[in-house]
Amino acid sequence: QKEVEQDPGPLSVPEGAIVSLNCTYSNSAFQYFMWYRQYSRKGPELLMYTYSSGNKEDGRFTAQVDKSSKYISLFIRDSQPSDSATYLCAMAGYSSASKIIFGSGTRLSIRP
Amino acid sequence: GAGVSQTPSNKVTEKGKYVELRCDPISGHTALYWYRQSLGQGPEFLIYFQGTGAADDSGLPNDRFFAVRPEGSVSTLKIQRTERGDSAVYLCASSLQAGVARETQYFGPGTRLLVL
Repeated sequence: QKEVEQDPGPLSVPEGAIVSLNCTYSNSAFQYFMWYRQYSRKGPELLMYTYSSGNKEDGRFTAQVDKSSKYISLFIRDSQPSDSATYLCAMAGYSSASKIIFGSGTRLSIRP
Repeated sequence: GAGVSQTPSNKVTEKGKYVELRCDPISGHTALYWYRQSLGQGPEFLIYFQGTGAADDSGLPNDRFFAVRPEGSVSTLKIQRTERGDSAVYLCASSLQAGVARETQYFGPGTRLLVL
């Protein structure tokens, strides 16, 4: 079993829809939770960072962490065609904070 | 400002050959990371440097893989006796410092390695 599980998609939604992306994990030592966005033939770029449980909002993006369920989510409101990309969840433990473990990524397509 | 750069952008080699992949981090970043991303997968951690020393090389798959950062800036990932299974995108990232997860890792565009 992988430490981080993520549905690979692809996920296709119409412009303006709310998108929900999710990951589950098995390692209870994870304390840091991140979402990266990766466009085709580019490196990943950090979108959101959350420490421990709770919610965090940044513009159209909201990240949620539920450590009791080992479940994290990313919500995108008012989705735009430019949001079409692969979204990677990522996690790290306190004692190995530089060693990030990534999910396999979900391919998202926003239809104009 | 300049981001992380990686050369070459593409590399095609034959099974059994030696390859070197180069990474130029963002100026002033003391931490440097190497990842490998296979098709349809997320990046897989290989090694990270704090300064000139390898702080964690637990992700290197075997002794054919080696990385150096002799002056604490540019890093080279070296792969000996390449195998077809080494074909992947090799990503480099840098951050201001290591050991703090909230320090953003900035990724380069990657080197696409194809072993025939």
